[in-house]
Amino acid sequence: QKEVEQNSGPLSVPEGAIASLNCTYSDRVSQSFFWYRQYSGKSPELIMSIYSNGDKEDGRFTAQLNKASQYVSLLIRDSQPSDSATYLCAFPTGANSKLTFGKGITLSVRP
Amino acid sequence: GAVVSQHPSRVICKSGTSVKIECRSLDFQATTMFWYRQFPKQSLMLMATSNEGSKATYEQGVEKDKFLINHASLTLSTLTVTSAHPEDSSFYICSAEGTGGTDTQYFGPGTRLTVL
Repeated sequence: QKEVEQNSGPLSVPEGAIASLNCTYSDRVSQSFFWYRQYSGKSPELIMSIYSNGDKEDGRFTAQLNKASQYVSLLIRDSQPSDSATYLCAFPTGANSKLTFGKGITLSVRP
Repeated sequence: GAVVSQHPSRVICKSGTSVKIECRSLDFQATTMFWYRQFPKQSLMLMATSNEGSKATYEQGVEKDKFLINHASLTLSTLTVTSAHPEDSSFYICSAEGTGGTDTQYFGPGTRLTVL
């Protein structure tokens, strides 16, 4: 059973702080990793994908991948109230690029 | 790019009726589409994988005769909930795999189904 675990939440940070979201996975073969953001009542939205070890930055978001330790993290700098959402990590498993999702961590950014 | 639409966004129906939900990739061709269901405050649950021109692959516990999937073209997949009952009320979301072999899935906006 290929699994994804996300650090327990919910996570609450003050506006302007760095939010750190972590995810560990069990499948050593995975080459692609994704972070999705889901606002309440909405569908998931892709915010980051990462394929290589190291950091990938996109605006205020940085994804970090460590394949040896089997974890992927998402850092959100200068957190804003609009970042308040549930963040899902995912990686493909099995045939047809089926994604396995973590249960998600809910982030709340306090004004 | 990579926009996925769903129609309808919201539907309310009586118990026993069938409801069809459409999922379209608007600016790319999607050989593979996925159908998910999400109950309130729960995580996404994959229902089935839809491949253009072939039968869908259903996840364990999902009744294929109740949730009919058709993927007749590279831009359209449909999910029909047959003889819907109140327990089928949920948020149904489709996604389409982008091109380039990156396994990236782009989600539609979802369809909220309420069965009375």
